[in-house]
Amino acid sequence: RKEVEQDPGPFNVPEGATVAFNCTYSNSASQSFFWYRQDCRKEPKLLMSVYSSGNEDGRFTAQLNRASQYISLLIRDSKLSDSATYLCVVGSGGSQGNLIFGKGTKLSVKP
Amino acid sequence: DAGITQSPRYKITETGRQVTLMCHQTWSHSYMFWYRQDLGHGLRLIYYSAAADITDKGEVPDGYVVSRSKTENFPLTLESATRSQTSVYFCASSDRGTTQYFGPGTRLLVL
Repeated sequence: RKEVEQDPGPFNVPEGATVAFNCTYSNSASQSFFWYRQDCRKEPKLLMSVYSSGNEDGRFTAQLNRASQYISLLIRDSKLSDSATYLCVVGSGGSQGNLIFGKGTKLSVKP
Repeated sequence: DAGITQSPRYKITETGRQVTLMCHQTWSHSYMFWYRQDLGHGLRLIYYSAAADITDKGEVPDGYVVSRSKTENFPLTLESATRSQTSVYFCASSDRGTTQYFGPGTRLLVL
């Protein structure tokens, strides 16, 4: 089983749509969880951390289910500028701060 | 606020040549990382460093050498470049071993 798995997409949605991405991870000892965003030919950038209680940042909502080892990202009212690849990222569980990256889910928002 | 920079941004070299990719951060972050990103594989950790003079192997270290004599610099050397090392290389840094911030990347082509 791969350590962090994501649906690669692409997800093609119209502007204003709500879209959800899911991710599963294999290491039950993981303690930190993130969503990163990567634009074409650019570096990954932190979108948001994911907390056990769930958290929201504007149009973005992240959820964590430790029992099912499952992370989600919900984007409401999609904008053209949301088009990017979204990387699910999980801490390796060690003290060295290593992160395990999913391969990413590609989102394309159309007018 | 320079953040984290990488040089060169683009490099073409030939098989068998030695190549060094530079990474510099101005945040005094303790942790630094080198990743490569290839289609179908996502981001894979090559080496990481928890502090000056402390380095350790990641998932794909073969063919690479790192050093960290100063906190702010973390060069990556390909001792004898091979075509399979054609990739996009990202350097990242982290303060307390959690959220990582990425440099803009170096696109390396080995002919």
